[in-house]
Amino acid sequence: QVQLVESGGGAVQPGRSLRLSCAASGFTFSHYAMHWVRQAPGKGLEWVAVIWSDGTNRHYSDSVKGRFTVSRDNSENTLYLQMSSLRDEDTAVYYCARSSSAIPWNYWGQGTLVTVSS
Amino acid sequence: DIQMTQSPSSLSASVGDRVTITCRASQGISNNLVWFQQKPGQAPKSLIYAASSLQSGVPSRFSGSGSGTDFTLTITSLQPEDFATYYCLQYYDYPSSFGQGTRLEIK
Repeated sequence: QVQLVESGGGAVQPGRSLRLSCAASGFTFSHYAMHWVRQAPGKGLEWVAVIWSDGTNRHYSDSVKGRFTVSRDNSENTLYLQMSSLRDEDTAVYYCARSSSAIPWNYWGQGTLVTVSS
Repeated sequence: DIQMTQSPSSLSASVGDRVTITCRASQGISNNLVWFQQKPGQAPKSLIYAASSLQSGVPSRFSGSGSGTDFTLTITSLQPEDFATYYCLQYYDYPSSFGQGTRLEIK
């Protein structure tokens, strides 16, 4: 069965960096675009970034552009989010999600919590 | 960037009721819209994609309609497990964008 498992979250000070991972299994990872979405405590969902199935194209929200980098290793079936210059407002649960042109957005991981605080 | 305006922000209803949630895009997005359901402490779950296609395993009491800028999610005969928060998302163009969410509560 399809599984997406995020890891790498934790507490970090403002200005520091953190890398999140999303381990995929149960499907052909290299066939799917992958997204990161976040949700601040008690708030709504915010789209963060996407990477194409072959890694050739990426897009970011304005709030993270220039600070976050999405990447993937199709040989390891893993998606990454490198987060730099972290701010208090980056505190959120971060989810990865799978998407295809045929059936968009049909699987999500359970999320990993990132807390940015001094 | 495309803005998604979702309404209402909250809604009270009873088991067995029919409810409708709307989402309006700031520009045309064809049918590139997904509806999600989220329960407290859980990841979102996709209900509808391409504005009106039911995701596998989702009960048929959920339906979606619309194209262009105006979209609706309808739930007929509400069940106790349907009380949750619902979001729309446009994937017509990047950056993708969510609606603000609709909290569906038991009356």
